[in-house]
Amino acid sequence: AQKVTQAQTEISVVEKEDVTLDCVYETRDTTYYLFWYKQPPSGELVFLIRRNSFDEQNEISGRYSWNFQKSTSSFNFTITASQVVDSAVYFCALRRGTNAGKSTFGDGTTLTVKP
Amino acid sequence: GAGVSQSPSNKVTEKGKDVELRCDPISGHTALYWYRQSLGQGLEFLIYFQGNSAPDKSGLPSDRFSAERTGGSVSTLTIQRTQQEDSAVYLCASSLVRGPSSTDTQYFGPGTRLTVL
Repeated sequence: AQKVTQAQTEISVVEKEDVTLDCVYETRDTTYYLFWYKQPPSGELVFLIRRNSFDEQNEISGRYSWNFQKSTSSFNFTITASQVVDSAVYFCALRRGTNAGKSTFGDGTTLTVKP
Repeated sequence: GAGVSQSPSNKVTEKGKDVELRCDPISGHTALYWYRQSLGQGLEFLIYFQGNSAPDKSGLPSDRFSAERTGGSVSTLTIQRTQQEDSAVYLCASSLVRGPSSTDTQYFGPGTRLTVL
């Protein structure tokens, strides 16, 4: 069975602080894919990143960075110098490599960035 | 280009009524997914369509739920005899699947907020 755990239900930071959102996953598959999505107050899920299980390179995109560590089954997401517009619910998701249909989502972390 | 669209954006219905929710995927996307998001919860997979293959219905919570996809494009999710616990946001996503072990990203629509009174 697959499982995604986002232990942080809510995080509140002040603008310009760095914040890390944790994601821990469980799977028996050797091939799998990990995703992060952002859901702003408008409600529409926005794709942020996809990472496959064979690529453990960390990635940086502007103020966003992701740390994938298979040894700890974690795929953490860091926002540097947070901004008010970063306030949203962030979801981590896991998809099996052999079944493109099912994705398992975590319960999400609500990030509030205060001015 | 146009993203995934869903209609209606909001639907209020009475317990016991049937409802139909519509999803228009991104043009050319061969895969279509339905998810349900209850208040304050993560996403719950419902059903997946890929091309002409039989859909993966393993996430449908009961036989009151069904979905079809006509012409490989538009999809309709039908909930019969709605119950209050069906109240949720129903999200549709599509992706361009290029192989059996696709990594293609799902792009989500804005969702339909269903409220069953």
